[in-house]
Amino acid sequence: DIVMTQSPDSLAVSLGERATINCKSSQSVLYSSKNENYLAWYQQRPGQPPKLLIYWASTRESGVPDRFSGSGSGTDFTLTISSLQAEDVAVYYCQQYYTTPQTFGQGTKVEIK
Amino acid sequence: QVQLVQSGAEVKTPGASVKVSCKASGYTFNSYYIHWVRQAPGQGLEWVGLINPSGGSTSYAQKFQGRITMTREPSTSTVYMELSSLRSEDTAVYYCARGTDCSRTNCRRRWFDPWGQGTLVTVSS
Repeated sequence: DIVMTQSPDSLAVSLGERATINCKSSQSVLYSSKNENYLAWYQQRPGQPPKLLIYWASTRESGVPDRFSGSGSGTDFTLTISSLQAEDVAVYYCQQYYTTPQTFGQGTKVEIK
Repeated sequence: QVQLVQSGAEVKTPGASVKVSCKASGYTFNSYYIHWVRQAPGQGLEWVGLINPSGGSTSYAQKFQGRITMTREPSTSTVYMELSSLRSEDTAVYYCARGTDCSRTNCRRRWFDPWGQGTLVTVSS
């Protein structure tokens, strides 16, 4: 199984400041012939199911604010919230869908400082 | 709109079985795999297994082999997840989610979207 490791486990950021979450996979999730990274990011607020933010590592889902961006390739990926808003308080998960089982990172909790 | 609606919360005693349903709407039922993911209280997301509604083939996480069965009913666009020999560690919210896209010639793995609202399964004596 591909192991997904996120860092940090939690972070506190001031409103309007940048939040950066890292995700590392134990093997590459890049399908090189198509140059596609099989990596998604989700946001989960308390009591809610996960919500898709980013897929193909950097494609923003329709309706997701442009302060959310994804980057990276191969085994190292980043989710950036450029200007943290109060409604962004949540747990964020990365997921690889390169192989089955489609594994998740352990989650990163984002709070307001 | 594309939607997955799950059955309601369940309370079971250790050793019992639970069957959770997930009804799909807004898209062609046979064209996308349905995955199940669970989340224990205060914990992260754990992949449980998947079913291909077209034909009913399944794949389960190793830790659930022998205890889990996923089925589907095409006439109602519903998939089911049954977990047996329940123990307290199975207490969790169980989510269904739409995954692999088979709407074209070849199936293509994809992200999970949408997700069902979740079903809380509580195992307690």
